Amino acid sequence: DAGVTQSPTHLIKTRGQQVTLRCSPKSGHDTVSWYQQALGQGPQFIFQYYEEEERQRGNFPDRFSGHQFPNYSSELNVNALLLGDSALYLCATRRGAKNIQYFGAGTRLSVL
Amino acid sequence: GENVEQHPSTLSVQEGDSAVIKCTYSDSASNYFPWYKQELGKGPQLIIDIRSNVGEKKDQRIAVTLNKTAKHFSLHITETQPEDSAVYFCAASLSGAGSYQLTFGKGTKLSVIP
Repeated sequence: DAGVTQSPTHLIKTRGQQVTLRCSPKSGHDTVSWYQQALGQGPQFIFQYYEEEERQRGNFPDRFSGHQFPNYSSELNVNALLLGDSALYLCATRRGAKNIQYFGAGTRLSVL
Repeated sequence: GENVEQHPSTLSVQEGDSAVIKCTYSDSASNYFPWYKQELGKGPQLIIDIRSNVGEKKDQRIAVTLNKTAKHFSLHITETQPEDSAVYFCAASLSGAGSYQLTFGKGTKLSVIP
């Protein structure tokens, strides 16, 4: 049983560019959340997708957007990248009304 | 919104000793409190969780306690081993009605000295 998988593992971009990160949920999971983890900090909630809709959003600007596909996989898009967007981006998935969220290994984004 | 404070930020213990990490939360409506372990280069891994209708939960060498009145919860690791060295995060969530957002503390770097 595959866990949560994220791609790519590392990414280097320059300011102003756009980036797309991908997440495949654990088998049987239908809800995907995205978190941003700055160096030395705890993860911060970006948004959550369920039934292909954004259900909840944290305190992040509209430059951050997402999508969920019919197979429950998800993408995180960030436009007009800033230096401060450099972080580890984590995907967490869960099933239905279950509390437990499983995290992927993350995508390390560096903005130069 | 919810705010979670975690202490200490770093903790060094001798192998075999116990380690305690404490967290406080601000939103009395929060009802789910997981603890995650994050090793270098990996994503957070759930190690134990507790719901607000329970005061204590144990799983082998790991235990979590919750005091709803004081709005704090703690992680206890007994008989620590070098492989327990990692960053530990507490989190709080108001689960239900489609809301499962986790608010994390800033983490505790645990070092177990052989």
